[in-house]
Amino acid sequence: NAGVTQTPKFQVLKTGQSMTLQCAQDMNHEYMSWYRQDPGMGLRLIHYSVGAGITDQGEVPNGYNVSRSTTEDFPLRLLSAAPSQTSVYFCASSYHQGTEAFFGQGTRLTVV
Amino acid sequence: AQSVTQLDSQVPVFEEAPVELRCNYSSSVSVYLFWYVQYPNQGLQLLLKYLSGSTLVKGINGFEAEFNKSQTSFHLRKPSVHISDTAEYFCACLKREGAQKLVFGQGTRLTINP
Repeated sequence: NAGVTQTPKFQVLKTGQSMTLQCAQDMNHEYMSWYRQDPGMGLRLIHYSVGAGITDQGEVPNGYNVSRSTTEDFPLRLLSAAPSQTSVYFCASSYHQGTEAFFGQGTRLTVV
Repeated sequence: AQSVTQLDSQVPVFEEAPVELRCNYSSSVSVYLFWYVQYPNQGLQLLLKYLSGSTLVKGINGFEAEFNKSQTSFHLRKPSVHISDTAEYFCACLKREGAQKLVFGQGTRLTINP
């Protein structure tokens, strides 16, 4: 069972570069979300989606874009990378409100 | 908006000792509550959840948690820990209605010493 798959696992970017973090789930979940994890701050919500074609901002959306053209995929785009975006990024999905969120293995991003 | 506070950033305990990881939440509406565990270099895995009903919930790996509405707490406990329980633990809450925004605490790093 694949579950939630994130690619790449590691990435180094130069300041100002753009890139897309990929997230795919094969569980037919409606809800998908992106978090960043920083030491001592837990996980903070960047963007989320309640279904194909519907996205909304979370707690820390600045510098990131998302789209949800299919139920399966929820890519996260960094428009112009900054050192402050150095973090571990997690994608998660869940079937509906109140059910377990399944997490990917994470993408460790370093911006130099 | 809801918030979650984990009262200890690090908890060291000896193997086979009991442990309690503390979590308090704040919300103006009813919430669901969760505990997740993160082993080194891995994603998060659900330990247990409180949705409704009995306030004592049991999860995987011998963990349990008690929902206390009056104290707005959801502390995690295990009567006897193992080396393999070394990990970071996150408490999280989710509003019962409205947007699907899972809010996490800052995390508690549990270290088990032999």
